[in-house]
Amino acid sequence: DAGVTQSPTHLIKTRGQQVTLRCSPKSGHDTVSWYQQALGQGPQFIFQYYEEEERQRGNFPDRFSGHQFPNYSSELNVNALLLGDSALYLCASSIPGLTNEQFFGPGTRLTVL
Amino acid sequence: QKEVEQNSGPLSVPEGAIASLNCTYSDRGSQSFFWYRQYSGKSPELIMSIYSNGDKEDGRFTAQLNKASQYVSLLIRDSQPSDSATYLCAVNPSGGSYIPTFGRGTSLIVHP
Repeated sequence: DAGVTQSPTHLIKTRGQQVTLRCSPKSGHDTVSWYQQALGQGPQFIFQYYEEEERQRGNFPDRFSGHQFPNYSSELNVNALLLGDSALYLCASSIPGLTNEQFFGPGTRLTVL
Repeated sequence: QKEVEQNSGPLSVPEGAIASLNCTYSDRGSQSFFWYRQYSGKSPELIMSIYSNGDKEDGRFTAQLNKASQYVSLLIRDSQPSDSATYLCAVNPSGGSYIPTFGRGTSLIVHP
């Protein structure tokens, strides 16, 4: 049973550049959520995609955008990168419902120089 | 602002002892509660879910939920050095949101 996968593992960018991160959900899951985790902090919710639409969004600027494809995989795009965007970006998949257990991928470590 | 609070630690316990990790939350209507383990440089791994008041046991782990007092705890029996990690508490808020709120995590160190 394939778990959540993310690519790339690590990424180094410079300020002002754009980045795209990718995620494939756990088999059988149709919902993908993206989180940003800074060092020493808990994951902060960016947005969630379900049925190819953004269902809910956290307190992140419009520089952060996303997409979900018909096969439930998802992308996170960040434009005009800032130094403060350096973090671990986590994708989690789930089946919404009473339990709503979320399963995380290995993450993408983004460094902005 | 719905909040989840955890003591950042570190909590240091000797090998073989019971580690007790605590979490409080502000949203009284919350229904689902989760504990994740996160090793340094890795992603969070779900280790326990609890939905009803009382205790839920899974191997060496026991989750305890008290909705009246708005706290959830995780006990780790017979702690091992391999349990050394950050433990994140996550709470699903009321109101139909499917997005859990995470605490900052408690760092646990189990020393031989």
